[in-house]
Amino acid sequence: QLQLQESGPGLVKPSETLSLTCTVSGGSISSTTYSWGWIRQPPGKGLECIGTIYYRGSTYYNPSLKSRVTISVDTSKTQFSLNLSSVTAADTAVYYCVRLFRPGNYMDVWGKGTTVTVSS
Amino acid sequence: QSVLTQPPSVSGAPGQRVTISCTGSSSNIGAGFNVHWYQQFPGTAPRLLIHGNSFRPSGVPDRFSGSKSGTSASLAITGLQAEDEADYFCQSYDNSLSTWVFGGGTKLTVL
Repeated sequence: QLQLQESGPGLVKPSETLSLTCTVSGGSISSTTYSWGWIRQPPGKGLECIGTIYYRGSTYYNPSLKSRVTISVDTSKTQFSLNLSSVTAADTAVYYCVRLFRPGNYMDVWGKGTTVTVSS
Repeated sequence: QSVLTQPPSVSGAPGQRVTISCTGSSSNIGAGFNVHWYQQFPGTAPRLLIHGNSFRPSGVPDRFSGSKSGTSASLAITGLQAEDEADYFCQSYDNSLSTWVFGGGTKLTVL
């Protein structure tokens, strides 16, 4: 059964870069059927799509975050990563990595999530 | 404010039927994009509950069903059980915003 696990610092200072990695286990990251992405959920709020990446490297970013986001993939390590620059308190959230079923445009596997707090 | 609109809360007694609405617009649900539903328990990640408007992944009880009409969709839960108490989110794609969009979530309380 495919599993996703987020890792990275739980505390980031304002104006710095948030960096997270998602490790894929129990399945292939090099699939034509799926993309891999990041979703976040601020405390007590709803869900927001940050962006996705296909195993060959093509990316999609939410236009509202595009200027600050970079998503990359390392198929040899079965990992994909998120960098979010110039963070503020508004970026405090639980960050989930997800598998996106491309034909259906839905997230069928989720990581457990990691809490990132932006504070000095 | 979320692109897809859901009621903040719904409630029902055990055994009853409840529905959760998800209202969009002509750039998402009304444009023909499918609606998907997720269930989230406190402190845990969302899990896929319904995809493609009305399809249940393996392991989801048939008490859960989804439908879509026009610019709206609905999630229905029949035979309500205490274990159904959770937050429910709808999701679609918006071609004006060029991103996947979610509803604000609905908290289901089993009385």
